[in-house]
Amino acid sequence: AQSVTQLDSHVSVSEGTPVLLRCNYSSSYSPSLFWYVQHPNKGLQLLLKYTSAATLVKGINGFEAEFKKSETSFHLTKPSAHMSDAAEYFCVVSEPTGFQKLVFGTGTRLLVSP
Amino acid sequence: DVKVTQSSRYLVKRTGEKVFLECVQDMDHENMFWYRQDPGLGLRLIYFSYDVKMKEKGDIPEGYSVSREKKERFSLILESASTNQTSMYLCASSKAGNTDTQYFGPGTRLTVL
Repeated sequence: AQSVTQLDSHVSVSEGTPVLLRCNYSSSYSPSLFWYVQHPNKGLQLLLKYTSAATLVKGINGFEAEFKKSETSFHLTKPSAHMSDAAEYFCVVSEPTGFQKLVFGTGTRLLVSP
Repeated sequence: DVKVTQSSRYLVKRTGEKVFLECVQDMDHENMFWYRQDPGLGLRLIYFSYDVKMKEKGDIPEGYSVSREKKERFSLILESASTNQTSMYLCASSKAGNTDTQYFGPGTRLTVL
């Protein structure tokens, strides 16, 4: 079965500093991996997705993630945090069964201070 | 823009009540999903539907049922609400053959007293 582990439940950064949200996955297949973001009182929004093309994936709002098969990781990064990045972030793997179910990590809350 | 709407943002019900959570999407998507979101547990799939009148159990279907009479509407039903069903409920939709890119509603925070 597929699974993802988000290594930090909370990450705190200062505005203008880099962001790193860590995710490790477990998969018997070549996985599809995603990051979703949830701003307060809003639904989840797709940030980016990896589907076996380029290993470095660029998403919205300056975020990117790198798929590293040797490390089974898919960490999310951003060079410079903005106050509006404060949200909860979910790493997600897609099960390649007949119906591609999404399996969510437990989430990382990003706090951005001025 | 895809829009997924949920009938209520906040709902308070009593133990034993029958509860209906409604979800409507306006993009003619074939697939619809119901998740519950709990702190420290992420999102867990309750039920999904890939066509009108079709439904499949997700990971935690116990205590829930669903109804999909029209393509745009997917209802989650708690036959007899219990306190352990207090949670945030999220609805999502996606196109057929593209289940990995899902569009989410804003959620319904349900409290069962």
